Amino acid sequence: EVQLVESGGGLVQPGGSLRLSCAASGFSLSGSTVHWVRQASGKGLEWVGQIRDKYNTYATAYAASVEGRFTISRDDSKNTAYLQMNSLKTEDTAVYYCTHSRSGYVRDVWGKGTTVSVSS
Amino acid sequence: DIVMTQSPLSLPVTPGEPASISCRSSQSLLHSNGYNYLDWYLQTPGQSPQLLIYLSSTRASGVPDRFSGSGSGTDFTLNITRLEAEDVGIYYCMQALQAPLTFGGGTRVEIK
Repeated sequence: EVQLVESGGGLVQPGGSLRLSCAASGFSLSGSTVHWVRQASGKGLEWVGQIRDKYNTYATAYAASVEGRFTISRDDSKNTAYLQMNSLKTEDTAVYYCTHSRSGYVRDVWGKGTTVSVSS
Repeated sequence: DIVMTQSPLSLPVTPGEPASISCRSSQSLLHSNGYNYLDWYLQTPGQSPQLLIYLSSTRASGVPDRFSGSGSGTDFTLNITRLEAEDVGIYYCMQALQAPLTFGGGTRVEIK
């Protein structure tokens, strides 16, 4: 079965760090751009950032709201992407989803999400 | 950044009747390859977003043909020919032309 599974969410204090994982199964992530998208409770979808594939030098891009605090990486040998979140703020509280751009523009596989709560 | 604006905010629809959602972008989404980089997603409560339409008008695999997308440049539309109960949820458009990718604010479709 083709799927993405996010993990690593939890409760963290403001200023803390978390690393989320996005593991692919049933297909290879290696040729795809991986995206992270988040959704605060009762709010809309917000793109967090992306990492492109090796042919595009693993280039990354981020939303302004997380630039300088979040870092996306990937390990194609493990078929997994990561979202390192540092200096977390209460407004980073959300469900975090990963997806990938199959064939460059088809984002039809999404994980079920992992919940991050930032609170003291 | 490209700003995406959806309307209406809420759309009550009688089952079996059509529905239409508008999405406008602050810049053209037309790539040099001739494709418009515009997706439509449906999110039902407690679920992940589901891709309905990509490249403005291509239905994703398994999506019923009552869903269709149209438009080019800055104006796009998602049409549902006959609403079914399972179509209830929040619809989002998203531009994928350039980073940062941006979503519209969402349109809540409900049964009238």
